[in-house]
Amino acid sequence: EPEVTQTPSHQVTQMGQEVILRCVPISNHLYFYWYRQILGQKVEFLVSFYNNEISEKSEIFDDQFSVERPDGSNFTLKIRSTKLEDSAMYFCASRKTGGDYEQYFGPGTRLTVT
Amino acid sequence: GEDVEQSLFLSVREGDSSVINCTYTDSSSTYLYWYKQEPGAGLQLLTYIFSNMDMKQDQRLTVLLNKKDKHLSLRIADTQTGDSAIYFCAERGGAASKLTFGTGTRLQVTL
Repeated sequence: EPEVTQTPSHQVTQMGQEVILRCVPISNHLYFYWYRQILGQKVEFLVSFYNNEISEKSEIFDDQFSVERPDGSNFTLKIRSTKLEDSAMYFCASRKTGGDYEQYFGPGTRLTVT
Repeated sequence: GEDVEQSLFLSVREGDSSVINCTYTDSSSTYLYWYKQEPGAGLQLLTYIFSNMDMKQDQRLTVLLNKKDKHLSLRIADTQTGDSAIYFCAERGGAASKLTFGTGTRLQVTL
């Protein structure tokens, strides 16, 4: 069964450094999402992406964040200058167009900012 | 804005039924979802219900939706130890495609 994959599974970085989190969505899906979950808190929406542009973003998704689909398979989240409060589990999700609206989630990348 | 609330913890004995409850505020919610998260793992979609339905059954899972009270529940029949996990309720409202998640309910299954 096709699934969303994410790399790395765990990333440790120093405050102020740039990180890129990578996702490979399910191949026939066209909507892509990033969510994050700070330890012990709710899963929060960050951004949705369709047709090579951001379709919706939350207040959390400020200028420090960017997303890109650099090729036909990868979908990336970049944090330019990480802060301690960016430490969280980051989930990528994807879904098909039309029909049902099920979002399929990847296993997540745990980002630890020290 | 949208808000989704759940109780934090539920403990049941193996073989009993579990009922996990969720309330939401967005009256324009069109789809409501239940996701399962096992320790260290991602979010697994269990089931979902469209807002014009009041019940959906899928094997051991039964979803009940009371749209008037904005209340959603997930019943797991014959709960097994493998059902121990955190269960998240989520809603998708109106034209937006983002999901708004609840706080998650930790289900503990005891022998």
